[in-house]
Amino acid sequence: GAVVSQHPSRVICKSGTSVKIECRSLDFQATTMFWYRQFPKKSLMLMATSNEGSKATYEQGVEKDKFLINHASLTLSTLTVTSAHPEDSSFYICSAWDRLLGYTFGSGTRLTVV
Amino acid sequence: KQEVTQIPAALSVPEGENLVLNCSFTDSAIYNLQWFRQDPGKGLTSLLLIQSSQREQTSGRLNASLDKSSGRSTLYIAASQPGDSATYLCALDNYGQNFVFGPGTRLSVLP
Repeated sequence: GAVVSQHPSRVICKSGTSVKIECRSLDFQATTMFWYRQFPKKSLMLMATSNEGSKATYEQGVEKDKFLINHASLTLSTLTVTSAHPEDSSFYICSAWDRLLGYTFGSGTRLTVV
Repeated sequence: KQEVTQIPAALSVPEGENLVLNCSFTDSAIYNLQWFRQDPGKGLTSLLLIQSSQREQTSGRLNASLDKSSGRSTLYIAASQPGDSATYLCALDNYGQNFVFGPGTRLSVLP
């Protein structure tokens, strides 16, 4: 079946630094990619939607200058958390969508900012 | 705007019990509904997908039903096992536009 590789699975960074998370569709081209954030014991909240070659669409309340999303190709989307702070610590998960395959989720990234 | 709720928020049962998890949604114009399992600190595992034209799907000890008219879905787990302990999420698929998750039900199956 379809596979989405998300990397890294865990990352610890210092406050003020930037962290990049990659989401790659391995055996299909994803028309659209989605980024979600999950707070402890909460459900997944959509952060943004990105289509290849165009700017991401951010959900209300999500700072686009803090969470930079790049979707340079049909198989790769990246989320960069800029100037990270402890409150950005969370579980981030991506999803790739194809009209035939539907949604395929990555395995998630646990970000801890210290 | 689609809103999804799940009841109960948490559930603890002894091993061997049959149990039902509930999911409600406000907008019946969905493409499909999916049930996921999430283990602590892990990603999502898809359990069952029900197309909007279907009423139920079964996989092993799991059975999911869908009633679009009432905006409800249930996940039935038969003969629960400690390995079933996880958070169960239902999610609504609006065909590539977004995927709305419920808050989840945290299940603990005690040996």
